[in-house]
Amino acid sequence: DADVTQTPRNRITKTGKRIMLECSQTKGHDRMYWYRQDPGLGLRLIYYSFDVKDINKGEISDGYSVSRQAQAKFSLSLESAIPNQTALYFCAASALNTGELFFGEGSRLTVL
Amino acid sequence: KNQVEQSPQSLIILEGKNCTLQCNYTVSPFSNLRWYKQDTGRGPVSLTIMTFSENTKSNGRYTATLDADTKQSSLHITASQLSDSASYICVVSVRQAGTALIFGKGTTLSVSS
Repeated sequence: DADVTQTPRNRITKTGKRIMLECSQTKGHDRMYWYRQDPGLGLRLIYYSFDVKDINKGEISDGYSVSRQAQAKFSLSLESAIPNQTALYFCAASALNTGELFFGEGSRLTVL
Repeated sequence: KNQVEQSPQSLIILEGKNCTLQCNYTVSPFSNLRWYKQDTGRGPVSLTIMTFSENTKSNGRYTATLDADTKQSSLHITASQLSDSASYICVVSVRQAGTALIFGKGTTLSVSS
């Protein structure tokens, strides 16, 4: 079983719709992250959380919100999706001591 | 400004050949440097971690080097296989509070038969 699981893996939606991407991890790590990957731009940080009561904006948080429902769950929401939010989204978890990121398999979002 | 630059952007080699990927960084203060491998359509997976005091570290056919003085790292792949076709991402950690991970844009490697 994957350590970090993302759902859905693929989603096509229309402009203006609300979308939620969910992430859960079985590693027991405190730190969780949401990244966005676009061709030629690499991975960019959207939001991160160091524990259930800690939420921090990353470099490209505009248009996104997150919720850390439990240590193992971290969801990403697009309140009103727009076409330039079409991208591959990755959730990751990391341990405090090693800093190694464990990524999910990705959620491909297409906004028409 | 903290930055990580990778080169080349893409690379095509024949199966069995060796190759070297480069990562230059201007991150300060430096904590560690990781190389991740990302297969197409999958999430990145860590290959190696280099700390300030380490010069070389191997993981099978992958060997990473670090020169902290020149702020350069390389990832050398020996006797490449088709399964090495992937993107390789260099990530540098800043020694400070907070997440502070600086990502390179990656090198896309294609190994052909």
